[in-house]
Amino acid sequence: KAGVTQTPRYLIKTRGQQVTLSCSPISGHRSVSWYQQTPGQGLQFLFEYFSETQRNKGNFPGRFSGRQFSNSRSEMNVSTLELGDSALYLCASSSGQGMGGYTFGSGTRLTVV
Amino acid sequence: AQKVTQAQTEISVVEKEDVTLDCVYETRDTTYYLFWYKQPPSGELVFLIRRNSFDEQNEISGRYSWNFQKSTSSFNFTITASQVVDSAVYFCALVDNRGGGSEKLVFGKGMKLTVNP
Repeated sequence: KAGVTQTPRYLIKTRGQQVTLSCSPISGHRSVSWYQQTPGQGLQFLFEYFSETQRNKGNFPGRFSGRQFSNSRSEMNVSTLELGDSALYLCASSSGQGMGGYTFGSGTRLTVV
Repeated sequence: AQKVTQAQTEISVVEKEDVTLDCVYETRDTTYYLFWYKQPPSGELVFLIRRNSFDEQNEISGRYSWNFQKSTSSFNFTITASQVVDSAVYFCALVDNRGGGSEKLVFGKGMKLTVNP
């Protein structure tokens, strides 16, 4: 069974630009969650998608958005990038039917300069 | 509010030493799940264990063991005879399932373990 695939692995962007990150979940998993990891704030929940619908959203500004496609692949977008958006972005997939069972990808490391 | 506290931020030990990672949680839920994840330098979060609130039995898996005590809201993790490969950041997490059917993980700040040869 293939794991969770996140692309790209590394990204460097300039302030004010926008960026799109991709996450392909484990086959059969319908839930994809996104987390931001920074040295200061640690791991924080961004949002969760289940069957193409956003089910939950963390406390992040509207510049952070996402979507999920019919094949369960998910993308997250950050517009008008700020230096503080530099972070490791992790996605996790699960069946979405019960507690836990989260499998994480290796993450996308975004650097905003 | 749901909260996970890992008081230790960094520990350094010598190979073969035992080390315990502390985790204290807060929740008003009677049903909840607790997790431990390992994050090696590659960045991926590796699942170690899930424990539900109704199962207070301690668990052992090889050199790893977990002590869950509801009375003190703690879920501590012990590595016996540590090895260099255990060097990583370890996170304790709690599931918050109050998002209308959705679940999200609430993480502690993490504890960096360095095992020196």
